[in-house]
Amino acid sequence: AQSVAQPEDQVNVAEGNPLTVKCTYSVSGNPYLFWYVQYPNRGLQFLLKYITGDNLVKGSYGFEAEFNKSQTSFHLKKPSALVSDSALYFCAVRDIDYTTSGTYKYIFGTGTRLKVLA
Amino acid sequence: DAGVTQSPTHLIKTRGQQVTLRCSPKSGHDTVSWYQQALGQGPQFIFQYYEEEERQRGNFPDRFSGHQFPNYSSELNVNALLLGDSALYLCASSFLLSGQGAHEQYFGPGTRLTVT
Repeated sequence: AQSVAQPEDQVNVAEGNPLTVKCTYSVSGNPYLFWYVQYPNRGLQFLLKYITGDNLVKGSYGFEAEFNKSQTSFHLKKPSALVSDSALYFCAVRDIDYTTSGTYKYIFGTGTRLKVLA
Repeated sequence: DAGVTQSPTHLIKTRGQQVTLRCSPKSGHDTVSWYQQALGQGPQFIFQYYEEEERQRGNFPDRFSGHQFPNYSSELNVNALLLGDSALYLCASSFLLSGQGAHEQYFGPGTRLTVT
């Protein structure tokens, strides 16, 4: 079964410093990985995805993620954190059901709360 | 271009009652998925609708049912509400390429359901 793990409940970083939010995955076959951000009382906003190709994926709002197959990781990064980046971040893996015309669902991690301190 | 919309925003129900939540997908999308996000947790997949049929289902009881209409909008129905059904219910839409499923899902703002 596909799964992702986010080992940190919370990450604190000073404004202007680089940030990393960790995610590891366990999949059979090629992984389709995603990062989403959730602000208070809001739905999830798509940040970026890895399907295939370059291991460094660029996304929205200056975020990027590094896919590492040997370490089965997909860490979210940003060179310089902003206070407005403070939010809940979710890593997800897509689980495709090839028996039902390729329909799929997302399996989410437990989330990491990022707090950027001014 | 309107994104995914959901109604209502908030809802308070009593144990044992029934509730219907609604979702309109992003323009051009034909697939709708529903997720339950309990407080402090990640979203959990409930089910997915494509071509007006339930295509996949997560580990949720039959009290949870849904429907997709010809215009691709969808409803989530929950019967015999329990206190544990209190959560944020998220709808996500996508465009399903047959046999590939290549596109990311776009989420609505959610419906906050409180069961008392």
